[in-house]
Amino acid sequence: GAVVSQHPSRVICKSGTSVKIECRSLDFQATTMFWYRQFPKQSLMLMATSNEGSKATYEQGVEKDKFLINHASLTLSTLTVTSAHPEDSSFYICSALLAGLQETQYFGPGTRLLVL
Amino acid sequence: GQQLNQSPQSMFIQEGEDVSMNCTSSSIFNTWLWYKQDPGEGPVLLIALYKAGELTSNGRLTAQFGITRKDSFLNISASIPSDVGIYFCAGLRSGGSNYKLTFGKGTLLTVNP
Repeated sequence: GAVVSQHPSRVICKSGTSVKIECRSLDFQATTMFWYRQFPKQSLMLMATSNEGSKATYEQGVEKDKFLINHASLTLSTLTVTSAHPEDSSFYICSALLAGLQETQYFGPGTRLLVL
Repeated sequence: GQQLNQSPQSMFIQEGEDVSMNCTSSSIFNTWLWYKQDPGEGPVLLIALYKAGELTSNGRLTAQFGITRKDSFLNISASIPSDVGIYFCAGLRSGGSNYKLTFGKGTLLTVNP
């Protein structure tokens, strides 16, 4: 199957700092990527849809000024958590859409963020 | 947001037993996807289904896309300890600019050696 990578896999930061998470589709081009957040023992919660060359579409209740998304190329989307606070600590997962006649989403391995 | 009805919520089985889980929805999907997630990892795609009635296998896994396009099941035969994890179903409606996945709440599978 297609491969999606995320970097970093784990990050610890101080409250008030910003953290950037990268999502890359390694062997296919993805005009659409997605960012999810997952709390313990729960399903994935969609935060936003990242569209190459245009603005991201955020889900209701997600602060776009806090979670900045940039999709500058067909293989890279970044999520920046600005002025992070302890409540932003979570598991962040991206996925990339493999479009075509048979559409599928492939997920990255996730990034564990801990804000102290 | 909308979620699929996935059952059972959890299962405890003995190694070697077969497992079945399913998802239902009140609305139609074009694609059904089954993922497995291990602790601290992202979901890994197991099987993708694209046609109503389609039955697809991947090793010991078999999944079917319901005829009504509102349901899907996943079977695991002869379970082994490494099958432990959370299994998610997901439905995809394509068309226009909406490629969002709708997820089930997951089935936690525990396999006793």
